[in-house]
Amino acid sequence: AQKVTQAQTEISVVEKEDVTLDCVYETRDTTYYLFWYKQPPSGELVFLIRRNSFDEQNEISGRYSWNFQKSTSSFNFTITASQVVDSAVYFCALSEYTGGFKTIFGAGTRLFVKA
Amino acid sequence: DTAVSQTPKYLVTQMGNDKSIKCEQNLGHDTMYWYKQDSKKFLKIMFSYNNKELIINETVPNRFSPKSPDKAHLNLHINSLELGDSAVYFCASSQDPQLTAKNIQYFGAGTRLSVL
Repeated sequence: AQKVTQAQTEISVVEKEDVTLDCVYETRDTTYYLFWYKQPPSGELVFLIRRNSFDEQNEISGRYSWNFQKSTSSFNFTITASQVVDSAVYFCALSEYTGGFKTIFGAGTRLFVKA
Repeated sequence: DTAVSQTPKYLVTQMGNDKSIKCEQNLGHDTMYWYKQDSKKFLKIMFSYNNKELIINETVPNRFSPKSPDKAHLNLHINSLELGDSAVYFCASSQDPQLTAKNIQYFGAGTRLSVL
């Protein structure tokens, strides 16, 4: 069965520190997508990134970077030089096709960035 | 323009009441979804509709009945509300139900339901 584990429930850092959010997933499918979403205190879900299972290239977008490793079934997210505005809950998610496009979310990691 | 809009944003009601949450998307997508986020922030899919037809139905009490009058709308009706129904409900849409490179789920802002 598919599963997404975010072992870190809460992380607290001081501004300008780098922080890595871990995500480990389980799936039997060879074709799947992995996502990261941000949920700021205002509550909406903001799409950050999607990777497909055939593309293990790491990605960098500004202060954000993602490390996808199929060998360890991990899709970790690093924020460099964190800022207070990065404070949010971050969700890792796995999408598969099981008769319909279905997304399984991890439990989320709450990130506090202190000034 | 808001891509996926849900109304109301907040809903406070008494146990036993029946209530509806509306969702509309203006993206021209064929597929829509409802997710529930509980008090511990855990997000779980409830339903998915493609072109007005139900394609995913997770283990959800039959007090919850989604209704899709057209592919741009997916409303969620809840009968006989219980305390445990208190949660944030998110609507989402995607181009189609297939797992393709073009497909991303776009989420609404959520509806916070409080059952007293």
